Amino acid sequence: DTGVSQDPRHKITKRGQNVTFRCDPISEHNRLYWYRQTLGQGPEFLTYFQNEAQLEKSRLLSDRFSAERPKGSFSTLEIQRTEQGDSAMYLCASSPYTSRTGTYNEQFFGPGTRLTVL
Amino acid sequence: QKEVEQDPGPLSVPEGAIVSLNCTYSNSAFQYFMWYRQYSRKGPELLMYTYSSGNKEDGRFTAQVDKSSKYISLFIRDSQPSDSATYLCAMKRNFNKFYFGSGTKLNVKP
Repeated sequence: DTGVSQDPRHKITKRGQNVTFRCDPISEHNRLYWYRQTLGQGPEFLTYFQNEAQLEKSRLLSDRFSAERPKGSFSTLEIQRTEQGDSAMYLCASSPYTSRTGTYNEQFFGPGTRLTVL
Repeated sequence: QKEVEQDPGPLSVPEGAIVSLNCTYSNSAFQYFMWYRQYSRKGPELLMYTYSSGNKEDGRFTAQVDKSSKYISLFIRDSQPSDSATYLCAMKRNFNKFYFGSGTKLNVKP
């Protein structure tokens, strides 16, 4: 399977614990995005990378959230001191450069990591 | 005000009906418009994307963009029970991030 993969698929943790999620994008996709999705809502932008550079972070991304993409391939999203309000689906997507439009318009999503904070 | 507004539904239709899903937006700088389908507890799947105004057709799906009204639509012809899912619209400016609607839940009854 050459799609976007995410690990773990489910994570249950206690309030105050740290958690880390991993995303493996489609190879040769330069851009990688992280989103958070709660029930009945669309994906909410958190941050994105172009290769290893983090180009934008949402103001929603508090100091407890950090993301890395050290070699421009896989990415990790860490949440420190988790709170019950962090319970959500965390989605990763990757995007290839489209030479015809000169931009990145297609996003391919992974299956998501469902986080439950007790 | 959210940048992208989408009626959450649910929308329930009989099999074979034509379905119309819509989004409105406030930022006139949006140029690229997408529709995603999301099954329960799965990641979104890209259905179609269009640039600027106009129509685009792909099989049973037609996407329409009316930039003058800041309104986009997705039509599904001959709807099937397997089309039952949440449909998300998304849009972006040229180089920037994507903005998603909250999704419309569609139920196609056999």
